[in-house]
Amino acid sequence: ILNVEQSPQSLHVQEGDSTNFTCSFPSSNFYALHWYRWETAKSPEALFVMTLNGDEKKKGRISATLNTKEGYSYLYIKGSQPEDSATYLCAPRAGGTSYGKLTFGQGTILTVHP
Amino acid sequence: DTGVSQNPRHKITKRGQNVTFRCDPISEHNRLYWYRQTLGQGPEFLTYFQNEAQLEKSRLLSDRFSAERPKGSFSTLEIQRTEQGDSAMYLCASSPRGESYEQYFGPGTRLTVT
Repeated sequence: ILNVEQSPQSLHVQEGDSTNFTCSFPSSNFYALHWYRWETAKSPEALFVMTLNGDEKKKGRISATLNTKEGYSYLYIKGSQPEDSATYLCAPRAGGTSYGKLTFGQGTILTVHP
Repeated sequence: DTGVSQNPRHKITKRGQNVTFRCDPISEHNRLYWYRQTLGQGPEFLTYFQNEAQLEKSRLLSDRFSAERPKGSFSTLEIQRTEQGDSAMYLCASSPRGESYEQYFGPGTRLTVT
């Protein structure tokens, strides 16, 4: 069973602020790391899938880094906007895990105030 | 809309009643997953189908829960004799055949047991 920790649990920022969250996971038997954004009343939306140590991925104002040796990933949001308000979930996938089931952290709830 | 769809979106039921949820995956996705999310937690894996075969079940899935995927297309999740602890968001996800990392989620069914 993977132990996945996300911090902080919640975050309130002002529009225009940059922010970052952390996802910690066991470094042994790592296969892939998923980041999702989940807005209220919508489907969780895939942001990134990262597999290689040192991976950096970017989508617009959002970027993520991955350190598989120490077991953590950072998600950065530059110049936060109110529409970025959502729960951000990370989910590592272990090697040998049957059929790609994901183990999610508890999420970071981001609220961006205008 | 060609995404994953789930019905109903909300279900309120009395304790002891049976409920059934439906998930329609993205067309031609042969892998289908059910997850459950309770307040303050990330989604937890329940079960996995590859085509019509149910290949993995979490120990979270008690005997009151049953899932099917006849003909390898849509899937149903039934909960018998519901309990208040079953109140949660039930999420369905699908992914295509092959070595794909991506899981595409539906909007979920919110179950409230009174």
